[in-house]
Amino acid sequence: AQSVAQPEDQVNVAEGNPLTVKCTYSVSGNPYLFWYVQYPNRGLQFLLKYITGDNLVKGSYGFEAEFNKSQTSFHLKKPSALVSDSALYFCAVIPGYSSASKIIFGSGTRLSIRP
Amino acid sequence: GAGVSQSPSNKVTEKGKDVELRCDPISGHTALYWYRQSLGQGLEFLIYFQGNSAPDKSGLPSDRFSAERTGGSVSTLTIQRTQQEDSAVYLCASSYTPGESQYFGPGTRLLVL
Repeated sequence: AQSVAQPEDQVNVAEGNPLTVKCTYSVSGNPYLFWYVQYPNRGLQFLLKYITGDNLVKGSYGFEAEFNKSQTSFHLKKPSALVSDSALYFCAVIPGYSSASKIIFGSGTRLSIRP
Repeated sequence: GAGVSQSPSNKVTEKGKDVELRCDPISGHTALYWYRQSLGQGLEFLIYFQGNSAPDKSGLPSDRFSAERTGGSVSTLTIQRTQQEDSAVYLCASSYTPGESQYFGPGTRLLVL
């Protein structure tokens, strides 16, 4: 079955430290990969995506993610965390793109940045 | 230049009543999704519309749930005979094509008493 996994329900990081939110996937074909963020009491927002090309993708708010085909991972990273980065993060994948492809979301990881 | 809009923003209903939730996607977006999110948890996929294709209803939790999309634009999600466990935030999202990033609406917060 096609799936995407976020193995950590919660990630805690001190402000100023680097952060990583993990995502792995199991899909057929060449996937399209996404990260979305949901700030408290706000809607879900697109953060970044990988379609093809450079494995390192840069997105909004200083975030980046690296596509690793051999490890089937798409971890989200930021060199220096801010308290304002505290939010719920979702990884998502569209497997082997076609007009019928449906996006699959991970279960979410709550990122908490302490001052 | 409106984004995805949903109405109502909040809905309180009594157990057993029917409710209808509306989603207005971004104009020109062919893909439309409905999700359910409970208490800031993960997204539960409900239904997916893509162009004129038959919708993917594989996520609907029971036959009390149905959805339609008229004219490839506005969509309504109907929950019949609501139950307390239906209480959640119902999110709608659209994208220009299935491979593009999704734009989410603000959601409808449903409370079934």
